[in-house]
Amino acid sequence: EAGVAQSPRYKIIEKRQSVAFWCNPISGHATLYWYQQILGQGPKLLIQFQNNGVVDDSQLPKDRFSAERLKGVDSTLKIQPAKLEDSAVYLCASSLGTRILEQFFGPGTRLTVL
Amino acid sequence: AQSVTQLDSQVPVFEEAPVELRCNYSSSVSVYLFWYVQYPNQGLQLLLKYLSGSTLVKGINGFEAEFNKSQTSFHLRKPSVHISDTAEYFCAVSGSGAGGTSYGKLTFGQGTILTVHP
Repeated sequence: EAGVAQSPRYKIIEKRQSVAFWCNPISGHATLYWYQQILGQGPKLLIQFQNNGVVDDSQLPKDRFSAERLKGVDSTLKIQPAKLEDSAVYLCASSLGTRILEQFFGPGTRLTVL
Repeated sequence: AQSVTQLDSQVPVFEEAPVELRCNYSSSVSVYLFWYVQYPNQGLQLLLKYLSGSTLVKGINGFEAEFNKSQTSFHLRKPSVHISDTAEYFCAVSGSGAGGTSYGKLTFGQGTILTVHP
């Protein structure tokens, strides 16, 4: 079974530029999560989707971050414009459903904002 | 609100020695508890979870953890570590849905870097 795929693996941008990350969850997984992991900290949930609907985006900085999950499969997370403090690893995870507690994580995208 | 505190940011240990990684949580209602491992440049992998029942939980790679409700702890242990156990370990808590907590929403601790020396 293929795992959660993410791309790119690494990205370096200047502040005020835009960037987008892509995630392809495990086939059949209805729930998709985006986490932000700042160096030295644990992952923090940014947004949770159930199929193509948003379940929880309470910690998403909506003035600069946006996310979508078209057709309930792949998802993209965008930052526009980026700030220095956005430097982090962005992790995507998926699970069979919101009532299923085990989440499967992708390898992450490491973003460096200069 | 829930929170998780991992008491040690780094734990060095020699190969074949026992290890304990400490985790305390804060919540006013019942929760579910997890340990994840993160190898360099990889995503997180679930080691074990406590949902209910026996307070001693066994996971993959010989790890186990004990849920202690009175001390609000969920410490991770392994009786004999290997070089390959070198990684970062995260304790996480999820609401059970009771008391308005979000079911399945994970709150992570800051992580403990385990380094196993030969």
